[in-house]
Amino acid sequence: AQKVTQAQTEISVVEKEDVTLDCVYETRDTTYYLFWYKQPPSGELVFLIRRNSFDEQNEISGRYSWNFQKSTSSFNFTITASQVVDSAVYFCALSESYGSARQLTFGSGTQLTVLP
Amino acid sequence: GAVVSQHPSRVICKSGTSVKIECRSLDFQATTMFWYRQFPKKSLMLMATSNEGSKATYEQGVEKDKFLINHASLTLSTLTVTSAHPEDSSFYICSARDSGLAYRETQYFGPGTRLLVL
Repeated sequence: AQKVTQAQTEISVVEKEDVTLDCVYETRDTTYYLFWYKQPPSGELVFLIRRNSFDEQNEISGRYSWNFQKSTSSFNFTITASQVVDSAVYFCALSESYGSARQLTFGSGTQLTVLP
Repeated sequence: GAVVSQHPSRVICKSGTSVKIECRSLDFQATTMFWYRQFPKKSLMLMATSNEGSKATYEQGVEKDKFLINHASLTLSTLTVTSAHPEDSSFYICSARDSGLAYRETQYFGPGTRLLVL
């Protein structure tokens, strides 16, 4: 069975600090996809990134960066120079690659609060 | 691109009434849509997978007769909460997976519907 663990329930940082959100996953599949979504107070889940299990290259998008380590089954997310607008709940998710459904397994989420 | 809408965004109803929630993919086709329920400060709980032209697949513990799902077209899925009761009050979110090859693995989410049953 698939499982995603986000051990950090809540994180609070001061604006301009860097912050890393941890994500550890479990799966028996050799091919799978990992995702990060952001859920601001409005409630809508915003897609941030999708990563294929065969692609272990780290990715950077502006102030966001992702570190995929297959050896430790981790897919951590770092926000550099955090801003108040980054305050949200962040979810890490895992999807199997086979089967028509390809459902998402979500972690429990990390509430990030960026203080001014 | 990849926009999913949900309607209504908020609904308050009396106990015993039925409520229909619509989920639309606005700029892509989605053979598969998903319905989730989220309680305050909790993660998303998958309720069912909606397949265009066929019956929905429900997760264990989700009542099929209580939560009716219809996926009549490649851009529309509906969730009807029948005979709603206060315990059905929740935040319901739909997602759609783009049927196009390049983006097939990504689910795009709607803005959610807050249901309050009095």
